[in-house]
Amino acid sequence: DGGITQSPKYLFRKEGQNVTLSCEQNLNHDAMYWYRQDPGQGLRLIYYSQIVNDFQKGDIAEGYSVSREKKESFPLTVTSAQKNPTAFYLCASSMDSHLNTEAFFGQGTRLTVV
Amino acid sequence: GESVGLHLPTLSVQEGDNSIINCAYSNSASDYFIWYKQESGKGPQFIIDIRSNMDKRQGQRVTVLLNKTVKHLSLQIAATQPGDSAVYFCAESNDMRFGAGTRLTVKP
Repeated sequence: DGGITQSPKYLFRKEGQNVTLSCEQNLNHDAMYWYRQDPGQGLRLIYYSQIVNDFQKGDIAEGYSVSREKKESFPLTVTSAQKNPTAFYLCASSMDSHLNTEAFFGQGTRLTVV
Repeated sequence: GESVGLHLPTLSVQEGDNSIINCAYSNSASDYFIWYKQESGKGPQFIIDIRSNMDKRQGQRVTVLLNKTVKHLSLQIAATQPGDSAVYFCAESNDMRFGAGTRLTVKP
């Protein structure tokens, strides 16, 4: 089935460690996005990529890094520089960021840093 | 920058009633809008969309209205059911940012 997959669903890490969240899509979408969601709040854009080998910072990129080496993959690394990393992370993809199409979301990764 | 935002953070309705969720947008150049539904612990899912050359679009039990004059969107859910309880977001497709969302709670 076509879709977008995030893994793992739950992730626990010790403070000070980097952690990488996986996001894979087989929809042949050019654009991919990462969002952070805190309890009771909306989605905040971390990074986005409009095409392979290119990405841009969103509104809250500090403490995060991404890569887009393959069209289907857009991993997010939460670094030790992120002051408050515990959150629900959502990945999304769309056919093209300029073609006015809807985004497809993964089921999210809940990261807890202890 | 310009953003999409929601008027009401929470909405509680009785099962069977109609629900109306509102959204204001500030980018007058936006020409495509989407409503998403996010159930607890899950990713948002597409509900319905509308392009700026339309004022109204209907789906199954849902209707989206667009008022370009006042830059306002609304999502109407007919005969609201417990399964409609979720957070609803509106978005502009050419700017992948979302408003705060409205939490809809359906009382039995």
